[in-house]
Amino acid sequence: ILNVEQSPQSLHVQEGDSTNFTCSFPSSNFYALHWYRWETAKSPEALFVMTLNGDEKKKGRISATLNTKEGYSYLYIKGSQPEDSATYLCACSNSNSGYALNFGKGTSLLVTP
Amino acid sequence: DGGITQSPKYLFRKEGQNVTLSCEQNLNHDAMYWYRQDPGQGLRLIYYSQIVNDFQKGDIAEGYSVSREKKESFPLTVTSAQKNPTAFYLCASSVGFNNEQFFGPGTRLTVL
Repeated sequence: ILNVEQSPQSLHVQEGDSTNFTCSFPSSNFYALHWYRWETAKSPEALFVMTLNGDEKKKGRISATLNTKEGYSYLYIKGSQPEDSATYLCACSNSNSGYALNFGKGTSLLVTP
Repeated sequence: DGGITQSPKYLFRKEGQNVTLSCEQNLNHDAMYWYRQDPGQGLRLIYYSQIVNDFQKGDIAEGYSVSREKKESFPLTVTSAQKNPTAFYLCASSVGFNNEQFFGPGTRLTVL
C-alpha cells in the first residue's frame, strides 16, 4: 500500500479566492498521478492524469503540477466559485503497488459567496 | 447514455448473510475496480479486473469475492467472513488499467 498524503484536510475560502492543495506520494518507482473531484451526492470525476515529471495540466480555472523526483503534486484553483465546492482526491500508482491506484483521504473545499 | 450503474443505492443485510453488489458499465471498458470508503479514510481497493475472466486482489480483499464473466459486469459479493462490511462501496471502470477511472454512484451497505 502506498502512503498518499493530502493537505490540508479541509479548506474554506470566499468566492473569488485562489487556492491550492498538496498531494505527497513515494517518489520511487512512480508510474502515474490522478486527481479527481467528488461533489456531494455525485460520483468522483477525473480531473487530470499525469505521468511525467514536470507535467502541468489545465482545465478551465483548475491546474495541476507534478514533481515525481520529490514526490508531490499541486492542484490550483483560480478564482474559486461555489460550484468548486467538493472533495478533491489524489491517487498515485507505482510498480510496488502493482500499478493499482492508492488514494489519499482527500481535501474538502468549501467556497462561500 | 454511457456510464456505470450500481444497484441498489442502499442495502441492508443481517449479520452473517452474504450480499452481492451489482456494477454494470456500457463504456466498453476493459478494466473495472471495486473500492470501499469508510469515514476518515481514502478509497481502498478491494478487487480489480483488467480483462474479462481475470481479476486480482486489492489491498483489502479478505471477506470479498468477485467475478468477471462479462466485460460489462463486475459484481462484488460481501461474504459473512468480512468483519466490518458496513461501508460505502464504489465501482469504477477505465479503458485500460491506470487510465482515468469513471465511477458509479455507489452503494451504501449497512449490516445490522
